[in-house]
Amino acid sequence: DAGVTQSPTHLIKTRGQQVTLRCSPKSGHDTVSWYQQALGQGPQFIFQYYEEEERQRGNFPDRFSGHQFPNYSSELNVNALLLGDSALYLCASSLEISSGANVLTFGAGSRLTVL
Amino acid sequence: RKEVEQDPGPFNVPEGATVAFNCTYSNSASQSFFWYRQDCRKEPKLLMSVYSSGNEDGRFTAQLNRASQYISLLIRDSKLSDSATYLCVADSSNTGKLIFGQGTTLQVKP
Repeated sequence: DAGVTQSPTHLIKTRGQQVTLRCSPKSGHDTVSWYQQALGQGPQFIFQYYEEEERQRGNFPDRFSGHQFPNYSSELNVNALLLGDSALYLCASSLEISSGANVLTFGAGSRLTVL
Repeated sequence: RKEVEQDPGPFNVPEGATVAFNCTYSNSASQSFFWYRQDCRKEPKLLMSVYSSGNEDGRFTAQLNRASQYISLLIRDSKLSDSATYLCVADSSNTGKLIFGQGTTLQVKP
Protein backbone atom coordinates (compact mmCIF):
# COMPACT_ATOMS: atom_id res chain seq x y z
CA ASP A 1 0.00 0.00 0.00
CA ALA A 2 1.76 3.11 -1.25
CA GLY A 3 1.89 6.05 1.08
CA VAL A 4 1.94 9.67 -0.03
CA THR A 5 4.24 10.20 -2.99
CA GLN A 6 5.63 13.55 -4.08
CA SER A 7 7.61 14.70 -7.09
CA PRO A 8 10.12 15.99 -7.77
CA THR A 9 12.18 15.27 -4.67
CA HIS A 10 14.61 18.11 -5.30
CA LEU A 11 14.64 21.04 -7.67
CA ILE A 12 16.48 24.30 -8.21
CA LYS A 13 14.86 27.39 -9.69
CA THR A 14 15.84 31.03 -10.11
CA ARG A 15 13.99 34.07 -8.85
CA GLY A 16 10.94 34.96 -10.92
CA GLN A 17 10.41 31.46 -12.26
CA GLN A 18 7.38 29.28 -11.67
CA VAL A 19 7.29 25.80 -10.15
CA THR A 20 4.77 22.95 -10.00
CA LEU A 21 4.97 20.27 -7.33
CA ARG A 22 2.91 17.08 -7.45
CA CYS A 23 1.39 14.80 -4.84
CA SER A 24 -0.42 11.47 -4.91
CA PRO A 25 -2.30 10.75 -1.67
CA LYS A 26 -2.26 7.54 0.27
CA SER A 27 -4.66 4.94 -1.09
CA GLY A 28 -8.13 5.54 0.33
CA HIS A 29 -7.46 9.16 1.27
CA ASP A 30 -9.45 11.95 -0.35
CA THR A 31 -8.13 15.15 1.24
CA VAL A 32 -4.78 16.74 0.48
CA SER A 33 -3.03 19.49 2.42
CA TRP A 34 0.17 21.32 1.56
CA TYR A 35 2.72 22.65 4.03
CA GLN A 36 5.89 24.73 3.68
CA GLN A 37 8.79 23.98 6.02
CA ALA A 38 11.66 26.46 6.07
CA LEU A 39 14.97 25.36 7.56
CA GLY A 40 14.83 25.17 11.34
CA GLN A 41 11.08 25.84 11.47
CA GLY A 42 7.97 23.74 11.81
CA PRO A 43 5.74 23.15 8.79
CA GLN A 44 3.31 25.97 7.93
CA PHE A 45 -0.12 25.24 6.45
CA ILE A 46 -0.56 26.52 2.88
CA PHE A 47 -3.95 25.13 1.86
CA GLN A 48 -6.19 22.07 1.82
CA TYR A 49 -8.13 20.47 -1.02
CA TYR A 50 -11.19 18.29 -0.87
CA GLU A 51 -13.55 17.36 -3.72
CA GLU A 52 -11.34 19.32 -6.10
CA GLU A 53 -11.89 22.58 -4.22
CA GLU A 54 -9.71 24.63 -1.91
CA ARG A 55 -11.39 24.27 1.46
CA GLN A 56 -8.99 26.10 3.75
CA ARG A 57 -6.07 28.43 3.21
CA GLY A 58 -3.24 29.60 5.40
CA ASN A 59 -1.48 32.94 5.37
CA PHE A 60 0.22 32.63 1.99
CA PRO A 61 0.05 35.07 -0.96
CA ASP A 62 -1.85 34.42 -4.15
CA ARG A 63 1.40 33.38 -5.82
CA PHE A 64 0.70 30.04 -4.18
CA SER A 65 -2.09 28.15 -5.91
CA GLY A 66 -3.18 24.58 -6.16
CA HIS A 67 -5.40 22.05 -7.76
CA GLN A 68 -6.91 18.69 -6.93
CA PHE A 69 -7.79 16.20 -9.64
CA PRO A 70 -10.67 13.68 -9.73
CA ASN A 71 -8.26 10.91 -8.67
CA TYR A 72 -7.48 12.98 -5.51
CA SER A 73 -3.93 13.80 -6.59
CA SER A 74 -2.88 17.41 -6.23
CA GLU A 75 -0.51 20.06 -7.51
CA LEU A 76 1.02 23.08 -5.82
CA ASN A 77 2.03 25.96 -8.07
CA VAL A 78 4.20 28.87 -7.02
CA ASN A 79 4.62 31.83 -9.36
CA ALA A 80 7.22 34.60 -9.35
CA LEU A 81 9.55 32.69 -7.05
CA LEU A 82 11.38 34.56 -4.31
CA LEU A 83 14.51 33.53 -2.46
CA GLY A 84 12.33 33.11 0.64
CA ASP A 85 10.31 30.40 -1.09
CA SER A 86 13.25 28.03 -0.64
CA ALA A 87 11.91 25.31 1.63
CA LEU A 88 10.72 21.73 1.95
CA TYR A 89 7.18 21.46 0.59
CA LEU A 90 5.22 18.70 2.27
CA CYS A 91 2.03 17.12 1.03
CA ALA A 92 -0.20 15.35 3.55
CA SER A 93 -3.28 13.26 2.89
CA SER A 94 -6.16 12.17 5.10
CA LEU A 95 -9.72 10.97 5.05
CA GLU A 96 -12.48 13.54 4.77
CA ILE A 97 -12.05 15.76 7.78
CA SER A 98 -15.62 16.04 8.94
CA SER A 99 -15.49 12.42 9.99
CA GLY A 100 -13.01 13.44 12.65
CA ALA A 101 -10.38 11.14 11.18
CA ASN A 102 -7.91 13.97 10.82
CA VAL A 103 -4.66 12.07 11.21
CA LEU A 104 -2.40 13.16 8.41
CA THR A 105 0.08 11.04 6.48
CA PHE A 106 2.95 13.09 5.09
CA GLY A 107 4.95 12.54 1.95
CA ALA A 108 8.74 12.82 1.94
CA GLY A 109 8.52 16.30 0.48
CA SER A 110 9.89 18.31 -2.42
CA ARG A 111 12.95 20.37 -1.55
CA LEU A 112 12.92 23.63 -3.51
CA THR A 113 15.95 25.87 -3.74
CA VAL A 114 15.53 29.32 -5.29
CA LEU A 115 18.73 31.04 -6.44
CA ARG B 1 3.34 35.60 19.30
CA LYS B 2 3.41 32.19 17.61
CA GLU B 3 0.26 30.12 17.92
CA VAL B 4 2.23 27.08 19.13
CA GLU B 5 5.49 27.67 20.98
CA GLN B 6 8.23 25.23 21.89
CA ASP B 7 11.74 25.52 23.24
CA PRO B 8 13.88 24.62 20.20
CA GLY B 9 16.63 23.14 22.38
CA PRO B 10 18.76 21.25 21.58
CA PHE B 11 18.33 18.88 24.48
CA ASN B 12 21.44 16.72 24.86
CA VAL B 13 20.85 13.76 27.18
CA PRO B 14 22.63 10.47 27.93
CA GLU B 15 21.09 7.13 27.08
CA GLY B 16 18.64 6.04 29.74
CA ALA B 17 17.74 9.56 30.81
CA THR B 18 14.21 10.88 31.20
CA VAL B 19 13.50 14.03 29.22
CA ALA B 20 10.43 16.27 29.09
CA PHE B 21 9.34 18.68 26.38
CA ASN B 22 6.82 21.42 26.91
CA CYS B 23 4.66 23.35 24.52
CA THR B 24 2.09 26.13 24.83
CA TYR B 25 -0.68 27.12 22.45
CA SER B 26 -2.48 30.42 22.22
CA ASN B 27 -5.77 29.50 20.54
CA SER B 28 -8.15 28.36 23.25
CA ALA B 29 -10.46 27.01 20.52
CA SER B 30 -7.93 24.35 19.58
CA GLN B 31 -9.49 20.94 19.94
CA SER B 32 -6.97 18.29 18.94
CA PHE B 33 -3.31 18.02 19.79
CA PHE B 34 -0.49 15.81 18.64
CA TRP B 35 3.20 15.16 18.91
CA TYR B 36 4.98 14.43 15.65
CA ARG B 37 8.53 13.20 15.25
CA GLN B 38 10.75 14.39 12.42
CA ASP B 39 14.11 12.85 11.59
CA CYS B 40 16.73 14.93 9.82
CA ARG B 41 15.63 15.77 6.26
CA LYS B 42 12.62 13.45 6.51
CA GLU B 43 8.88 14.02 6.75
CA PRO B 44 7.05 14.41 10.08
CA LYS B 45 5.46 11.24 11.43
CA LEU B 46 2.74 11.03 14.03
CA LEU B 47 4.15 9.96 17.40
CA MET B 48 0.98 10.20 19.44
CA SER B 49 -2.22 12.12 19.97
CA VAL B 50 -2.63 14.06 23.20
CA TYR B 51 -5.70 13.82 25.43
CA SER B 52 -6.74 15.70 28.57
CA SER B 53 -6.70 12.46 30.50
CA GLY B 54 -3.12 11.88 29.47
CA ASN B 55 -1.97 8.97 27.40
CA GLU B 56 0.97 6.63 27.40
CA ASP B 57 2.58 4.61 24.65
CA GLY B 58 5.48 2.55 25.94
CA ARG B 59 8.21 4.94 27.07
CA PHE B 60 6.27 7.99 25.87
CA THR B 61 3.69 9.90 27.91
CA ALA B 62 1.74 12.90 26.63
CA GLN B 63 -0.34 15.28 28.71
CA LEU B 64 -2.69 18.14 27.93
CA ASN B 65 -3.68 20.91 30.33
CA ARG B 66 -6.48 22.90 28.70
CA ALA B 67 -6.72 25.44 31.53
CA SER B 68 -3.06 26.41 31.10
CA GLN B 69 -3.04 25.72 27.33
CA TYR B 70 -0.01 23.54 27.85
CA ILE B 71 1.08 20.24 26.31
CA SER B 72 3.91 18.01 27.42
CA LEU B 73 5.79 14.94 26.22
CA LEU B 74 7.82 12.75 28.55
CA ILE B 75 10.31 10.23 27.22
CA ARG B 76 11.63 7.69 29.69
CA ASP B 77 14.74 5.52 29.29
CA SER B 78 15.95 7.46 26.25
CA LYS B 79 17.43 5.48 23.37
CA LEU B 80 19.91 6.62 20.74
CA SER B 81 17.13 6.11 18.20
CA ASP B 82 15.01 8.74 19.97
CA SER B 83 17.31 11.45 18.56
CA ALA B 84 15.07 13.59 16.36
CA THR B 85 13.03 16.79 16.32
CA TYR B 86 9.74 16.62 18.19
CA LEU B 87 6.97 18.84 16.85
CA CYS B 88 4.07 19.99 19.01
CA VAL B 89 0.91 20.35 16.93
CA ALA B 90 -2.56 21.83 17.42
CA ASP B 91 -5.58 21.44 15.17
CA SER B 92 -7.58 24.58 15.90
CA SER B 93 -10.78 23.57 14.17
CA ASN B 94 -10.57 19.77 13.99
CA THR B 95 -10.37 20.14 10.22
CA GLY B 96 -6.86 18.97 9.60
CA LYS B 97 -5.35 22.46 9.44
CA LEU B 98 -2.45 21.68 11.72
CA ILE B 99 -0.47 24.39 13.47
CA PHE B 100 3.06 23.24 14.18
CA GLY B 101 5.50 24.52 16.73
CA GLN B 102 9.09 25.19 15.75
CA GLY B 103 10.14 21.78 17.04
CA THR B 104 12.42 20.67 19.86
CA THR B 105 15.62 18.88 18.95
CA LEU B 106 16.67 15.90 21.06
CA GLN B 107 20.12 14.36 20.85
CA VAL B 108 20.62 11.19 22.89
CA LYS B 109 24.28 10.37 23.44
CA PRO B 110 25.87 7.06 24.41
